[in-house]
Amino acid sequence: SQQGEEDPQALSIQEGENATMNCSYKTSINNLQWYRQNSGRGLVHLILIRSNEREKHSGRLRVTLDTSKKSSSLLITASRAADTASYFCATDLAGGTSYGKLTFGQGTILTVHP
Amino acid sequence: GAGVSQSPSNKVTEKGKDVELRCDPISGHTALYWYRQSLGQGLEFLIYFQGNSAPDKSGLPSDRFSAERTGGSVSTLTIQRTQQEDSAVYLCASSIAETQYFGPGTRLLVL
Repeated sequence: SQQGEEDPQALSIQEGENATMNCSYKTSINNLQWYRQNSGRGLVHLILIRSNEREKHSGRLRVTLDTSKKSSSLLITASRAADTASYFCATDLAGGTSYGKLTFGQGTILTVHP
Repeated sequence: GAGVSQSPSNKVTEKGKDVELRCDPISGHTALYWYRQSLGQGLEFLIYFQGNSAPDKSGLPSDRFSAERTGGSVSTLTIQRTQQEDSAVYLCASSIAETQYFGPGTRLLVL
């Protein structure tokens, strides 16, 4: 089964609104990362949050991590049409023998209407 | 600097044929990963190379799949006797720390 489960599977909003995506996972992690994918091609790294951090910001992005609930959220504020993409969370599992090996969720498809 | 490159961008093959997919990682990156993404799905881990260590092959779906990394740089993913269910986008990524940098992928279609 997937380590990362994302919610919602699809999100449709108007430009200027905020978009929130959630990710839940099952086992302890070293860090959790969010990636963005346009048009089914290569992924672009957005932000990394470590297991001992609770919140991080990067521009219009805000990520939270709750290790007690094994969940994370990605908030995109003041969304733009160019934010339309698929967003994936990925976890780096604690105690693994393969450093840096990530397990990806199924993704959230975000559509921002102009 | 140059990012991760993959070739070919697209590959159409007939069922039963072998295919080779190539990945050129970012220079100096010690780790290299292969993933598979079926239509509308998340990424499925295939194999991971880290420096001179033995690769982590735990994600390879069958013995038809193999990969090698020559000289700690370029990697080739080989799929033998392709099946229609092998149709997917094959993504390569490299890293030197926690963040992975992805190539544009190879879209494989097995007819």
